[in-house]
Amino acid sequence: KAGVTQTPRYLIKTRGQQVTLSCSPISGHRSVSWYQQTPGQGLQFLFEYFSETQRNKGNFPGRFSGRQFSNSRSEMNVSTLELGDSALYLCASSLGGTSGVVNYNEQFFGPGTRLTVL
Amino acid sequence: AQKITQTQPGMFVQEKEAVTLDCTYDTSDPSYGLFWYKQPSSGEMIFLIYQGSYDQQNATEGRYSLNFQKARKSANLVISASQLGDSAMYFCAMREDNYGQNFVFGPGTRLSVLP
Repeated sequence: KAGVTQTPRYLIKTRGQQVTLSCSPISGHRSVSWYQQTPGQGLQFLFEYFSETQRNKGNFPGRFSGRQFSNSRSEMNVSTLELGDSALYLCASSLGGTSGVVNYNEQFFGPGTRLTVL
Repeated sequence: AQKITQTQPGMFVQEKEAVTLDCTYDTSDPSYGLFWYKQPSSGEMIFLIYQGSYDQQNATEGRYSLNFQKARKSANLVISASQLGDSAMYFCAMREDNYGQNFVFGPGTRLSVLP
């Protein structure tokens, strides 16, 4: 069974540009979550998509957006890049259990996309 | 307020010894899950172990066990018989059931295993 894949693995952009990152979840997984990891802030939740709908959103500005396609693949877009957006962006997929039920619902992470903004 | 606290920024352990990585959490949700992840220098997050808030017994997975003390809101990871390959960052995370798949991660503990 193939794991979570993220493309590209490395990206260099300049301030003001926009960027799109892609995540393909494990087959059968309907939930995709995105995280930003920086040395200063650690791992921070960006948003989660489930069945093409944004189900949860973290505290990030509107420059960060995402979407999910019918095949569960997800893209994340960052517009008007700032130097502080330099980070490792991790995508995680899971089966996506229903809320209200405590389920073992492990998230499988991809290798990440390392974005550098110059 | 921090939902997940890991008070040990760095830890050293001798190869073949056991080590405990601390994690305390804060939630008012009675239904939640606690996770530990390992992140080697390559960057990929590797799932280690899970504990549900209603689980009566401590979780174990091979050399990993979770010391779950619900009243104290702690979920410490115990690694037995440390190996050089265990050197990595370790993150404790929590999913509160009312918040869907929103995982909250702690700041992590860097474990170094000495030969």
